[in-house]
Amino acid sequence: EVQLVESGGGLVQPGESLRLSCEASGFTFSNYAMHWVRQAPEKGLEYISVISNDGGRTYHADSVKGRFIISRDNSKNTLYLHMGSLRPEDTAVYYCVRDRRVVPGAILSWGFDPWGQGTLVTVSS
Amino acid sequence: IVLTQSPATLSLSPGERATLSCGASQSVTSSYLAWYQQKPGLAPRLLIYDASSRATGIPDRFSGSGSGTDFTLTISRLEPEDFAVYYCQQYGSSPITFGQGTRLEIK
Repeated sequence: EVQLVESGGGLVQPGESLRLSCEASGFTFSNYAMHWVRQAPEKGLEYISVISNDGGRTYHADSVKGRFIISRDNSKNTLYLHMGSLRPEDTAVYYCVRDRRVVPGAILSWGFDPWGQGTLVTVSS
Repeated sequence: IVLTQSPATLSLSPGERATLSCGASQSVTSSYLAWYQQKPGLAPRLLIYDASSRATGIPDRFSGSGSGTDFTLTISRLEPEDFAVYYCQQYGSSPITFGQGTRLEIK
């Protein structure tokens, strides 16, 4: 069974940092591009970041560029999101998502499937 | 690309047909459009990709259609478990964008 399990969320103060992790199982992690998507409370979905299967290419949305960094460790089947200079508007559930297709080296997408259960990040003083 | 979903809320009864719309501010490359279902407290689930292809395990009462700037998700006969929020997403152009969602509620 394909599984994505996020961890690392919690309550932090504005300006602080946090690292989210996403442990993958049930598939060959190193074959797939991986994404982060967030959802603020009672709001819609916002695309954050993507990393190619080999970690060689990344993309970050303008809303997090320069503050968040996506990375992966294929030897540990784990995706990360390093979050710095956190703001109250970063408060959201953060989802780890696998791309639907295997396309080596790409950061394009063919749909998101499956999604992890999400981890809540709350930024508040 | 800005995606606009309509209606914002759709009130229907089980057994009825649901039609959800997603309009794009510019043409979606290669019909790279997906639909997701999200139930309260759960992660979204892929229903449709490439505008009209059903994802694995999705019942055939769900169908997608459209091209260019106009896309539709149709649920032919609503089951109680179909009442949820539905999002469209385009992945043909960077940045990937989502619509604001349509809430499908029981009438």
